[in-house]
Amino acid sequence: AQKVTQAQTEISVVEKEDVTLDCVYETRDTTYYLFWYKQPPSGELVFLIRRNSFDEQNEISGRYSWNFQKSTSSFNFTITASQVVDSAVYFCALSEARGGATNKLIFGTGTLLAVQP
Amino acid sequence: DAGVTQSPTHLIKTRGQQVTLRCSPISGHKSVSWYQQVLGQGPQFIFQYYEKEERGRGNFPDRFSARQFPNYSSELNVNALLLGDSALYLCASSLRTGVNSPLHFGNGTRLTVT
Repeated sequence: AQKVTQAQTEISVVEKEDVTLDCVYETRDTTYYLFWYKQPPSGELVFLIRRNSFDEQNEISGRYSWNFQKSTSSFNFTITASQVVDSAVYFCALSEARGGATNKLIFGTGTLLAVQP
Repeated sequence: DAGVTQSPTHLIKTRGQQVTLRCSPISGHKSVSWYQQVLGQGPQFIFQYYEKEERGRGNFPDRFSARQFPNYSSELNVNALLLGDSALYLCASSLRTGVNSPLHFGNGTRLTVT
């Protein structure tokens, strides 16, 4: 069965600290996609990144970076030099590429990140 | 361009009542998905519609139903409301189905059942 685990319920850091959000996933499929979304208090889910299971290259986008390791089924997200505006709930999600019938996402329970000034 | 719009933003209902939530996708998007997000949890997939046909259904009871209209907007209906149906209901649109078509989420409808 598919499952996404985000063991960190809440993280609190002081501005400018680096912070890593952990994500561990389970799937039997060899082809799948992993996502990170940000949910600010407004409720909208903001797409951050998508990786497919064949691309293990780490990615950096500004202050954000992602570390995908198939060997440990992890897809961790690091924010460098955190800012107050980074405060939000962050979700990791998994989608299997099965015949394109749906783009259903399986979400983790989320990590609430609070960045203190 | 307008994003995914959902209405109403907030709703309070009583147990046993019925509710209809509405979603307008991004222009040009033909697929709409619905997710339920209970407080403190991640969103859970309810339905996906593409070209007015149901393409996927999550593990929800038959009290939950949805439809998609010719203009690709969608409604989610929940009958015989239970306290446990209190949640943020998120609508997402995409150009097509399949993982190569990213989901764009709306701000959600917050439903409170008393």
